[in-house]
Amino acid sequence: LAKTTQPISMDSYEGQEVNITCSHNNIATNDYITWYQQFPSQGPRFIIQGYKTKVTNEVASLFIPADRKSSTLSLPRVSLSDTAVYYCLVGYPRSGSGNTGKLIFGQGTTLQVKP
Amino acid sequence: DTAVSQTPKYLVTQMGNDKSIKCEQNLGHDTMYWYKQDSKKFLKIMFSYNNKELIINETVPNRFSPKSPDKAHLNLHINSLELGDSAVYFCASSQVGILEQYFGPGTRLTVT
Repeated sequence: LAKTTQPISMDSYEGQEVNITCSHNNIATNDYITWYQQFPSQGPRFIIQGYKTKVTNEVASLFIPADRKSSTLSLPRVSLSDTAVYYCLVGYPRSGSGNTGKLIFGQGTTLQVKP
Repeated sequence: DTAVSQTPKYLVTQMGNDKSIKCEQNLGHDTMYWYKQDSKKFLKIMFSYNNKELIINETVPNRFSPKSPDKAHLNLHINSLELGDSAVYFCASSQVGILEQYFGPGTRLTVT
């Protein structure tokens, strides 16, 4: 099974770009890469998802190299409110009877944004 | 409106007791999940439930059992609670075939 590895923690300052990398050397062909954000005492919240190359939405970008053995979540110009734990998730969704899906979360990266 | 709700938010109980955590989603999703988050913040999927088909993570003890009275609800029953069951339990839901999940606020279970 694919195992994901992330840095335990990162520090940044307001206004900086933050890049969090997740390593998933055993990623399978049908696995997608998804990132979640979790604030204290809340459930994780979906940020972005991708399969290969680059994906961008209104809050983040996701860079996936051609070999897909790693991925990088990029948060542009972080603010204090971006202080949270960020989880990398590798897997594929359950798509009906007989397809159980696979969901493996990384251990999470605690991002601390300082003023 | 809360998309995915859980009750109770906190649950303190003694070893050996049986307890339940309730989960409801109003998103019309087909698939619901239960996760366990330990003190080190590891998130592990326990169950996935879709159209009355239950997929169990093989590492989950059979003291844990999900019950789904309808598509919008997936409750978690725990028998003979142990100290190691102390954790935060999250319910989540998604559309079938979609990885984007919506999580509930969590239930912090403390077993003494």
